[in-house]
Amino acid sequence: GAVVSQHPSRVICKSGTSVKIECRSLDFQATTMFWYRQFPKQSLMLMATSNEGSKATYEQGVEKDKFLINHASLTLSTLTVTSAHPEDSSFYICSARGGGGSAYGYTFGSGTRLTVV
Amino acid sequence: DAKTTQPNSMESNEEEPVHLPCNHSTISGTDYIHWYRQLPSQGPEYVIHGLTSNVNNRMASLAIAEDRKSSTLILHRATLRDAAVYYCILSRSYGGSQGNLIFGKGTKLSVKP
Repeated sequence: GAVVSQHPSRVICKSGTSVKIECRSLDFQATTMFWYRQFPKQSLMLMATSNEGSKATYEQGVEKDKFLINHASLTLSTLTVTSAHPEDSSFYICSARGGGGSAYGYTFGSGTRLTVV
Repeated sequence: DAKTTQPNSMESNEEEPVHLPCNHSTISGTDYIHWYRQLPSQGPEYVIHGLTSNVNNRMASLAIAEDRKSSTLILHRATLRDAAVYYCILSRSYGGSQGNLIFGKGTKLSVKP
């Protein structure tokens, strides 16, 4: 089946620094990828949708200058949290969707636990 | 996207069937019904999806009401590894050029040995 690899699985960074999270589709081409954020004991919240070769579409209330998304190839999307602050600490999850005919439609990465100290 | 309503939590005994309900009264004709589950500190895992007809796979069965305003995920024999949060989600298209998955609160399933 379709596999999405997300890296790193956990990261601790100092306040004010930037952190990059990678999301790769390993055995299929992902024309669209999604980034979610999940706070403890809450559901996943969609942050943005990225399409290969074009700008990401951000959900209302998500700062595009703070959460930079790049989807430069059909197998890789990155999320960069810029000037991270403790309130950005969260579980970040990516999801990839292949073209029509994908057996599972949406495949999720294993998530990245970000802690900003 | 149309909303779904699920119970906050359910309990089951190991090796017994589990029926997880989902209401989606505002579903449109082109909305697919997806079920995903999430174990602690992991990304969601695909369980099953359907449009109009009931669906079966190795993990579960999906029973869709005739008017499509509700559906039920059926785990035929619950195991301890099935303890997770189960999300019922509607998506405007499946594998096409539109649609994304908007997660509700889901149902936290506990399985007792």
